[in-house]
Amino acid sequence: NAGVTQTPKFRVLKTGQSMTLLCAQDMNHEYMYWYRQDPGMGLRLIHYSVGEGTTAKGEVPDGYNVSRLKKQNFLLGLESAAPSQTSVYFCASSYSIGTQYFGPGTRLLVL
Amino acid sequence: GIQVEQSPPDLILQEGANSTLRCNFSDSVNNLQWFHQNPWGQLINLFYIPSGTKQNGRLSATTVATERYSLLYISSSQTTDSGVYFCAVATGANNLFFGTGTRLTVIP
Repeated sequence: NAGVTQTPKFRVLKTGQSMTLLCAQDMNHEYMYWYRQDPGMGLRLIHYSVGEGTTAKGEVPDGYNVSRLKKQNFLLGLESAAPSQTSVYFCASSYSIGTQYFGPGTRLLVL
Repeated sequence: GIQVEQSPPDLILQEGANSTLRCNFSDSVNNLQWFHQNPWGQLINLFYIPSGTKQNGRLSATTVATERYSLLYISSSQTTDSGVYFCAVATGANNLFFGTGTRLTVIP
């Protein structure tokens, strides 16, 4: 039981490049989330999903897209990366209302 | 969104000391979690505690939902307790709003 895993662990992009971050969970959770953490701050919600095929905007959605084609996976896409998107990205999952379990994070540097 | 305030922002303790961290929030919640972010950046679940009191070893937490605050108690602190402690709350669809954290440093 791996819990929540994230791929990649670290990535460097140039401004304007695109990439996709993958989150996978093996706990059969319905809800999945993407957060970002900037230096010295708490996490902020980007997008979330309450089930396969559904997505919704969180607190800071601009510049990101998501997809939930399979229950166990939640993808976060950056179509045209900007330096302001340099951050640590965390994925989380939960059954519904209740404890969220977090992945180890992905460090993204946009030059 | 809901406002979450944590205090104190920084705390330095001698090993073996006790501490209390506080989290105030601005609205009714259906989820409140305490996390420890270790020096490697990993987020560790401590408690899911939208109300009531829980204990886990040297750590305990109390949430008084009617007064919109939660407390995290750390007893007999150890150097491995160092890191940032986050309180996060949610209403409705379980979207967590995080405070800015309390940075704890435990000195040997």
